[in-house]
Amino acid sequence: EAQVTQNPRYLITVTGKKLTVTCSQNMNHEYMSWYRQDPGLGLRQIYYSMNVEVTDKGDVPEGYKVSRKEKRNFPLILESPSPNQTSLYFCASSSDGQGRFYGYTFGSGTRLTVV
Amino acid sequence: QQQVKQSPQSLIVQKGGISIINCAYENTAFDYFPWYQQFPGKGPALLIAIRPDVSEKKEGRFTISFNKSAKQFSLHIMDSQPGDSATYFCAASSGSSASKIIFGSGTRLSIRP
Repeated sequence: EAQVTQNPRYLITVTGKKLTVTCSQNMNHEYMSWYRQDPGLGLRQIYYSMNVEVTDKGDVPEGYKVSRKEKRNFPLILESPSPNQTSLYFCASSSDGQGRFYGYTFGSGTRLTVV
Repeated sequence: QQQVKQSPQSLIVQKGGISIINCAYENTAFDYFPWYQQFPGKGPALLIAIRPDVSEKKEGRFTISFNKSAKQFSLHIMDSQPGDSATYFCAASSGSSASKIIFGSGTRLSIRP
């Protein structure tokens, strides 16, 4: 089954403790992206990657890091999480940067709480 | 100019009624307008999309109406069902390879039985 797999689904952590949210896709998509979803703000892009070793900032990149060492994986790293990073996070992939042909495929989300 | 403004933020419709969600944009370079549907606990999924060369696109009970001159587009859900209860996001993008897709703020739709 074609899918984007995120782990963990739920995470509660303390301020300043480094964490990584993993994302893996099995569709051989070149484009991958991370979004955060907050009430009233919709989906805001954090980082995206057009291909292996090619990453760029989205709209809200502060406090986050990413890497794309393999085509299928695109982990999101929070080096020093803060409470304002409490949010619902989604990883997405597509065959093109805008999902024009088949849309974006999203993971099921990671709900992160930073206390 | 890059924003996509979506309204209403939430909507309650009786079963069998018509649900209407509206979006407006400023960037005239946008030429692809998808709608995504998100059920609780799931990621968004592409529902339907339109390009500005047509004014309407229909897929089953879901219709996108597009008004290029007004820079507005809307999603209509006919004969709304409880299973349609979800959050809906409109989005827009242009054909430039440097462009990216811009999402609206979302509408939480509840269909009352």
